Amino acid sequence: QQPVQSPQAVILREGEDAVINCSSSKALYSVHWYRQKHGEAPVFLMILLKGGEQKGHEKISASFNEKKQQSSLYLTASQLSYSGTYFCGTEMRASGTYKYIFGTGTRLKVLA
Amino acid sequence: DTEVTQTPKHLVMGMTNKKSLKCEQHMGHRAMYWYKQKAKKPPELMFVYSYEKLSINESVPSRFSPECPNSSLLNLHLHALQPEDSALYLCASSQVFPGQTDTQYFGPGTRLTVL
Repeated sequence: QQPVQSPQAVILREGEDAVINCSSSKALYSVHWYRQKHGEAPVFLMILLKGGEQKGHEKISASFNEKKQQSSLYLTASQLSYSGTYFCGTEMRASGTYKYIFGTGTRLKVLA
Repeated sequence: DTEVTQTPKHLVMGMTNKKSLKCEQHMGHRAMYWYKQKAKKPPELMFVYSYEKLSINESVPSRFSPECPNSSLLNLHLHALQPEDSALYLCASSQVFPGQTDTQYFGPGTRLTVL
């Protein structure tokens, strides 16, 4: 039931782009994206609601394909500060039940 | 102020001890959450309080007992824990639950070690 993220890990040079995918086997109501640096709390990046929504935040944007139950996070012109572990948080609401499950995580390291 | 505070930062306890974790927010949020995070794993939702009432309990063992005394404060009472309960315990808050476009703000966490 836990959403699978790909890739598991990625190393970039400063200025390079990356895409992180989050794929669920269950229907999703919304997807949240977080970045967590080592030893710190997760930091909320953005939320996407069902409807193919695409949102942007500085050089970080994301899309949500409700039919495919997938979301992607796009990091452009990466900076050293982008290093960390990225999680998708997936919200599922069905028949009166509620589930909030984080994806498996993607470790991203940006090198100078 | 967009801060969620948690105390203590670190806690070491024996399996027979009773201890409590504390979480506080002053953003006027009406939803508060407890998560458990093991090393190199994603956070796992444990409990959700909405308007000081328990809304979600993700089948958490009874040795973990949450309490929400008021809208700003969330406690997690611990009793007779096992070594496998050692983890980072994160508190978060959001405006309402379940929300539409709510950001969850996380506290820095309490790193718990059970001996």
